[in-house]
Amino acid sequence: GQNIDQPTEMTATEGAIVQINCTYQTSGFNGLFWYQQHAGEAPTFLSYNVLDGLEEKGRFSSFLSRSKGYSYLLLKELQMKDSASYLCAVMDSNYQLIWGAGTKLIIKP
Amino acid sequence: DTAVSQTPKYLVTQMGNDKSIKCEQNLGHDTMYWYKQDSKKFLKIMFSYNNKELIINETVPNRFSPKSPDKAHLNLHINSLELGDSAVYFCASSHEPGHVYNEQFFGPGTRLTVL
Repeated sequence: GQNIDQPTEMTATEGAIVQINCTYQTSGFNGLFWYQQHAGEAPTFLSYNVLDGLEEKGRFSSFLSRSKGYSYLLLKELQMKDSASYLCAVMDSNYQLIWGAGTKLIIKP
Repeated sequence: DTAVSQTPKYLVTQMGNDKSIKCEQNLGHDTMYWYKQDSKKFLKIMFSYNNKELIINETVPNRFSPKSPDKAHLNLHINSLELGDSAVYFCASSHEPGHVYNEQFFGPGTRLTVL
């Protein structure tokens, strides 16, 4: 079966750095996405990785290792507004997105 | 504004009723989706649809049916609503599978409450 695993909840301090991990087992691979979802709102696209390595976009970076079936989202200089759920999703060989359950990130002052 | 829009934002109804949720995108995308997000916040794909193919998640009851009058619209019809249908339903759109820009853009969601 297809499976995406990520921690249910994480807590971090404002101004710090946090890394949210995601491991996956899917039928084929056509890229991995990270989305951010604030409570009561729609998911919004953060990043896309299809090749191994690190993609940096401002305070957010996303890393992929296809051989390990592993990705992480790195958030730097955390701000209170970063409190949200972070969803990992993998596009399988049929170009269908397989979603993780999301990681709820709580930022404390 | 270019976006994915859906109506209504909130829908409260009685068990057994039939209801529809509308979705429109003006992003020029070829593929549209319906997702269900339950109280545990897990996003579950219900349907994906483009002008060539409807892909149905086999776990979705046949009380749910998508209707696409044109490429920019994908409405969701639900018959004989049940308590377990209470959830937030998201519409999304993207370019066709395999496109270099393939992220999905989500509508604001419809919170359905079945009493």
